[in-house]
Amino acid sequence: AQTVTQSQPEMSVQEAETVTLSCTYDTSESDYYLFWYKQPPSRQMILVIRQEAYKQQNATENRFSVNFQKAAKSFSLKISDSQLGDAAMYFCAYRSALETSGSRLTFGEGTQLTVNP
Amino acid sequence: DADVTQTPRNRITKTGKRIMLECSQTKGHDRMYWYRQDPGLGLRLIYYSFDVKDINKGEISDGYSVSRQAQAKFSLSLESAIPNQTALYFCATRAAGGPGELFFGEGSRLTVL
Repeated sequence: AQTVTQSQPEMSVQEAETVTLSCTYDTSESDYYLFWYKQPPSRQMILVIRQEAYKQQNATENRFSVNFQKAAKSFSLKISDSQLGDAAMYFCAYRSALETSGSRLTFGEGTQLTVNP
Repeated sequence: DADVTQTPRNRITKTGKRIMLECSQTKGHDRMYWYRQDPGLGLRLIYYSFDVKDINKGEISDGYSVSRQAQAKFSLSLESAIPNQTALYFCATRAAGGPGELFFGEGSRLTVL
């Protein structure tokens, strides 16, 4: 079974600075998808960024980018120019590309990000 | 209106009571999921369904049951609630195929006293 590990329960960053959230995963599959979700205090789950394992290029979405290291099974999220609105719980998630496996998303434990003014 | 709607948003109940959490979606997706969120544990899958006739257990299905009444509706039931089922519950949907994201409801916070 796949597992996802976020080793940083809490992180903090100064407004306008850069922060990196770590995520590692374990799988024997070669084709899969990785996601970062954000959960602000409103508790809504919001997709931040996704990465397809067959793509070597790291995904970017405005101030958010990932460092995808397939061999190391690592998928970190970098937030540049941090803003107060970035304060949230961040979840890393894995999904197999095989629909027959249930297409379930496996989540990490989450990292609570605080942004200090 | 939200694409994925959960009711109730918050509920307090007592041990032994039967509770139903309802989920409906307007996205036309065939895949629907129920997750449970606990502090320090992330989100864990309870049940998922690919269509009305297809229901599958997730990693923590004990003590829960589900019903897929229609493509757009997927309900989660706790037949006899216990305090360790106190959690935030999420319904989510996804389209078949590709790297499609999960679309989540706003969550149902359940407290079992």
